[in-house]
Amino acid sequence: AQSVAQPEDQVNVAEGNPLTVKCTYSVSGNPYLFWYVQYPNRGLQFLLKYITGDNLVKGSYGFEAEFNKSQTSFHLKKPSALVSDSALYFCAVRDYNQGGKLIFGQGTELSVKP
Amino acid sequence: GAVVSQHPSRVICKSGTSVKIECRSLDFQATTMFWYRQFPKQSLMLMATSNEGSKATYEQGVEKDKFLINHASLTLSTLTVTSAHPEDSSFYICSARELAGVSTDTQYFGPGTRLTVL
Repeated sequence: AQSVAQPEDQVNVAEGNPLTVKCTYSVSGNPYLFWYVQYPNRGLQFLLKYITGDNLVKGSYGFEAEFNKSQTSFHLKKPSALVSDSALYFCAVRDYNQGGKLIFGQGTELSVKP
Repeated sequence: GAVVSQHPSRVICKSGTSVKIECRSLDFQATTMFWYRQFPKQSLMLMATSNEGSKATYEQGVEKDKFLINHASLTLSTLTVTSAHPEDSSFYICSARELAGVSTDTQYFGPGTRLTVL
């Protein structure tokens, strides 16, 4: 079965510093990977996805993610964090064996302090 | 980007009543919509997959007679919580997948509906 894991419940970063939110996956076949962000009491906003091609994927709001097949990882990164980046981040993989539904990680709460 | 709306954003109801939540894809057609439930500080739990013109597929443990889903058109799906009880209080989020194809398309999420059952 397809799955993703986000090993950190919370990540704390100072404003201006680089940030990384970790995600590892387990899939059979080629992975289709996604990152979403959720602000309090809001739905999820799509940030970026990896389907095929370049391992470094650029997304919204200055975020990028690096697909690493050997390490089965898809970590989310940003060179310089903003206080407004504070939110809940979800990694997800598409389970194309089950109608294409998304399998979500447990989420990582990012806190960026001034 | 693609926009998905949900209505209402917040609803408070009495125990025993039914509540309908609408999910609309505003600028694209969606053959498939998904309904999720989320508890505070937790991940999303998929409740059901809704396909236009056919019956919804419910995840294991989700009562289909309690959570009625209708996907009447390519832009609208509704979730009705029947005979709601306090334990049904939660944040309900829908998502819609573009018509482009199953394997590479993206799910876009609505803003969520906060249901509180008294």
